[in-house]
Amino acid sequence: GENVEQHPSTLSVQEGDSAVIKCTYSDSASNYFPWYKQELGKRPQLIIDIRSNVGEKKDQRIAVTLNKTAKHFSLHITETQPEDSAVYFCAATDDKIIFGKGTRLHILP
Amino acid sequence: GAGVSQSPSNKVTEKGKDVELRCDPISGHTALYWYRQSLGQGLEFLIYFQGNSAPDKSGLPSDRFSAERTGGSVSTLTIQRTQQEDSAVYLCASSLSPQHSQPQHFGDGTRLSIL
Repeated sequence: GENVEQHPSTLSVQEGDSAVIKCTYSDSASNYFPWYKQELGKRPQLIIDIRSNVGEKKDQRIAVTLNKTAKHFSLHITETQPEDSAVYFCAATDDKIIFGKGTRLHILP
Repeated sequence: GAGVSQSPSNKVTEKGKDVELRCDPISGHTALYWYRQSLGQGLEFLIYFQGNSAPDKSGLPSDRFSAERTGGSVSTLTIQRTQQEDSAVYLCASSLSPQHSQPQHFGDGTRLSIL
């Protein structure tokens, strides 16, 4: 069945530096790849998504890249700020939606 | 506009009791999802509704768990004969399209504690 692997499980980054989170998926038919951010005690919220016909998408400090051949996609956060501290979940969808296990991002002062 | 609303926000009950959790999706959203999230863990898929039907129930952990959706809107998740391992946050999400290729909008969840 479909599987989504997410790495790393924990990431600590100095404020102002960049953070990169990577996900791989197994189902080549997957066509939609959202990223959700969950702050402590809050609901998950979509921060960016990408579809299989696009290789890269950017929204201010956040970008997502997709490599369909290698079946992996990555979240890039530049100029990190304290409010970026949260758990980030990737997902891949086809006839099902499968979430990665999450990455806990700590922004260090 | 109103987002996804879940009730109750917190529920404490004794082992063996039945509980019912409610989700009010965003108006007009066809798809509705239930997830379970244990402390510090990821999102465990439970069930997906397309309108009032549930084409994917594969995530329900046991026959103690059931869910229904009426009028293409409100959904209830019922857990019978609760066990301590059922303690978790239960999240509901809705999406505009019945395909999975649209963003999901999550509620704040119901924190369930089984004593």
